Amino acid sequence: SQQGEEDPQALSIQEGENATMNCSYKTSINNLQWYRQNSGRGLVHLILIRSNEREKHSGRLRVTLDTSKKSSSLLITASRAADTASYFCATPNAGGTSYGKLTFGQGTILTVHP
Amino acid sequence: EAQVTQNPRYLITVTGKKLTVTCSQNMNHEYMSWYRQDPGLGLRQIYYSMNVEVTDKGDVPEGYKVSRKEKRNFPLILESPSPNQTSLYFCASNKGGTGDTQYFGPGTRLTVL
Repeated sequence: SQQGEEDPQALSIQEGENATMNCSYKTSINNLQWYRQNSGRGLVHLILIRSNEREKHSGRLRVTLDTSKKSSSLLITASRAADTASYFCATPNAGGTSYGKLTFGQGTILTVHP
Repeated sequence: EAQVTQNPRYLITVTGKKLTVTCSQNMNHEYMSWYRQDPGLGLRQIYYSMNVEVTDKGDVPEGYKVSRKEKRNFPLILESPSPNQTSLYFCASNKGGTGDTQYFGPGTRLTVL
């Protein structure tokens, strides 16, 4: 399996509910990033969490990182129909520094019904 | 406006006909990358570049070439396209260093018949 795998593969919820997506990775990292992709479009960076951080917030987004379990979660609170998109976690190359090489998971497709 | 641009956005071609997808960024970023995205396989890196004239293979470089003659441009070249290169391609750039994030272009949807 690949570095950075998301779970679940697809998630369908109603507007106003919370959405939680999980990501597991294999090698040591110094940061983990989450990206969003609207259908067929380019990815947009959402949030980055460093290995010495356990939790980070940005608006309605909350990201956690558990380096002992090599896992991260992305929580979107009070979801909106506009949050419908694919969400990817990404980790830099195994050495930890980012020289342009990111490994992406296969993503979670989130559908928020009005 | 800071952005990564790609051209063309859509391309239908035939097997064996050389093509180039251009990528340009206006953020003075050191690093640029090309990815392809396929259903069930996620995004896979094709090539990346750390600076002018410095490039390296990603995870799926076979059948592709790149060049970085100028900092802002990073074209992707398919010398002899084949149907298995039908995909959605993304260019990305970042300034480099730990804690860095990537900026993506809008994508190029390529169909090789």
